[in-house]
Amino acid sequence: DQQVKQNSPSLSVQEGRISILNCDYTNSMFDYFLWYKKYPAEGPTFLISISSIKDKNEDGRFTVFLNKSAKHLSLHIVPSQPGDSAVYFCAAPPGSGATNKLIFGTGTLLAVQP
Amino acid sequence: KAGVTQTPRYLIKTRGQQVTLSCSPISGHRSVSWYQQTPGQGLQFLFEYFSETQRNKGNFPGRFSGRQFSNSRSEMNVSTLELGDSALYLCASSSGLARETQYFGPGTRLLVL
Repeated sequence: DQQVKQNSPSLSVQEGRISILNCDYTNSMFDYFLWYKKYPAEGPTFLISISSIKDKNEDGRFTVFLNKSAKHLSLHIVPSQPGDSAVYFCAAPPGSGATNKLIFGTGTLLAVQP
Repeated sequence: KAGVTQTPRYLIKTRGQQVTLSCSPISGHRSVSWYQQTPGQGLQFLFEYFSETQRNKGNFPGRFSGRQFSNSRSEMNVSTLELGDSALYLCASSSGLARETQYFGPGTRLLVL
């Protein structure tokens, strides 16, 4: 049962343009979401998070939008740079209890073309 | 501050053997979580240790086990290795408080032949 889904395995954009990565979730108990970026042969690196009390969170070139009614979130990268080429994962904690467990989506490979 | 370190980085084993992987968290962090990454299943949670106690466990067979020491270093063990255990094993550390950022190590790449 994939509770966090990233339906686009890959995305290609031109340098300078906007990259939009999407994520859907099925569990309405999820109230906190994170995006991680992963380069080959490295561990995931935290990018940005959002709590369900907000619908938008911004950090530099990265903005995450949350649509609770649609159970959908998206990560916008503007402007995209070649160094942004990596696999992006959205993740969520299961909701209750004291735990650092994260449920990850399957990832989207972003390729930013110079 | 030094990041999360994992040893070894690469490992080749044969079916039926057992393996132990090690993770040293960021200094001061008390929570260590382990994940398995495979092309087919993505990143899946194995278990979390906090202050030497297993706090949460994923849906993996009992062949997968772990422990945490008093200095917060953690080990995971896989017994009776199967071909399907070939994966990247990642550990992540955090302070242990809910919603604190988790920092991942570079992973151990395990190949089972």
